[in-house]
Amino acid sequence: EVQLVESGGGLVQSGRSLRLSCTTSGFTFGDHAISWVRQAPGKGLEWVGYIRGKAYVGTTEYAASVKGRFTLSRDDSKSIAYLQMNSLKAEDTAIYYCTRTLWLFDWFPYFDHWGQGSLVTVSS
Amino acid sequence: DIQLTQSPSSLSASVGDRVTITCRASPTVSTYLNWYQQKPGNAPKLLICAASSLQSGVPSRFSGSGSATDFTLTISSLQPEDSATYFCQQSHSTPPTFGQGTKVQVK
Repeated sequence: EVQLVESGGGLVQSGRSLRLSCTTSGFTFGDHAISWVRQAPGKGLEWVGYIRGKAYVGTTEYAASVKGRFTLSRDDSKSIAYLQMNSLKAEDTAIYYCTRTLWLFDWFPYFDHWGQGSLVTVSS
Repeated sequence: DIQLTQSPSSLSASVGDRVTITCRASPTVSTYLNWYQQKPGNAPKLLICAASSLQSGVPSRFSGSGSATDFTLTISSLQPEDSATYFCQQSHSTPPTFGQGTKVQVK
């Protein structure tokens, strides 16, 4: 069974940093991209970024709203993905989901399994 | 960024009703359009990818159709457990974007 479990969320002051972890099981982690999607309280879904699998040397893409502040990484030996969040702002307050990412025709991403989410609250 | 507009924003229907949710893309996304279901307090769940491909384990009362800019998610016979918010998502261009969601209430 495919499982993803986020951890590391919590309350943090504006301008500080936080790192989320996504611990996975039930699939060959290194073969898959991992995306992060966030959801502000009572709002819709916003893609944060993805990190590709080892076949693509772990290349990354980011949403414009987080580029330069957030960094994705992965440890294939532990089947864990990370989201390092620096210079946090109040508008980063959200539930952060990690998702296993599949590709249509090797290029068009969609999210087939999701973790339960980790709440990040940034106080101003 | 590609914009996805869902309609309606919410609806209320009875058990057994046929329900249709629309997602309009601007500009075109070909058939790179996916649908998710989110129940309160839970993570989204993938229902349909590539506009019409039903995911394993998803009840056959769910179906998707469309291409280019106009897509629909249909629930052929609404069940109590279908009460949820439904989101469309485009894979055509980076960044992937989501519609604003349609909340479905079962009377």
